[in-house]
Amino acid sequence: KAGVTQTPRYLIKTRGQQVTLSCSPISGHRSVSWYQQTPGQGLQFLFEYFSETQRNKGNFPGRFSGRQFSNSRSEMNVSTLELGDSALYLCASSFTPQNTEAFFGQGTRLTVV
Amino acid sequence: GENVEQHPSTLSVQEGDSAVIKCTYSDSASNYFPWYKQELGKGPQLIIDIRSNVGEKKDQRIAVTLNKTAKHFSLHITETQPEDSAVYFCAASISGTASKLTFGTGTRLQVTL
Repeated sequence: KAGVTQTPRYLIKTRGQQVTLSCSPISGHRSVSWYQQTPGQGLQFLFEYFSETQRNKGNFPGRFSGRQFSNSRSEMNVSTLELGDSALYLCASSFTPQNTEAFFGQGTRLTVV
Repeated sequence: GENVEQHPSTLSVQEGDSAVIKCTYSDSASNYFPWYKQELGKGPQLIIDIRSNVGEKKDQRIAVTLNKTAKHFSLHITETQPEDSAVYFCAASISGTASKLTFGTGTRLQVTL
């Protein structure tokens, strides 16, 4: 079966712009989590969605937001981009938040210049 | 919040040798500890996990041990092979699931011939 699909794979944006990243979970999975991966900070939890509701949120500024659609696809948005937002953004999906196995996508590499 | 420390940051072993990666966590409420393997250009993949009510778990060449008193857990890989070369992340969660994971900073394992 198809894995977690993240689009686009690569993105270059200018400081001050906004960006939207997309994640399509594995078919049947209804829980989607987002993580930011940087060389300095490692993997940091952004937020988690289940049934179109945000269940958990990490310690990121309000410029980072997300949403989940009725088909479980999720998007995250970063407004007013800063150089420090350059990172690999990973999406993980599971059947429900109670599952222990989360499947990660390949990520979207965002570069802010 | 939870903090997970991981050591070493890099590890080089010869093929056939064993590799050990150690993590410590700060929140005594953490009850789920997964290990992920991330290969170049891919998202992290769950390789083994352990819950707080278990002291050790083994899956073929991979084993994880947990010491709740000391709040540390370790990944053991025996009979290492070149395909084990990757970055390994430990993580912890208070939810008992893969929901809202706190990750360690990663260990780059290099298995040399």
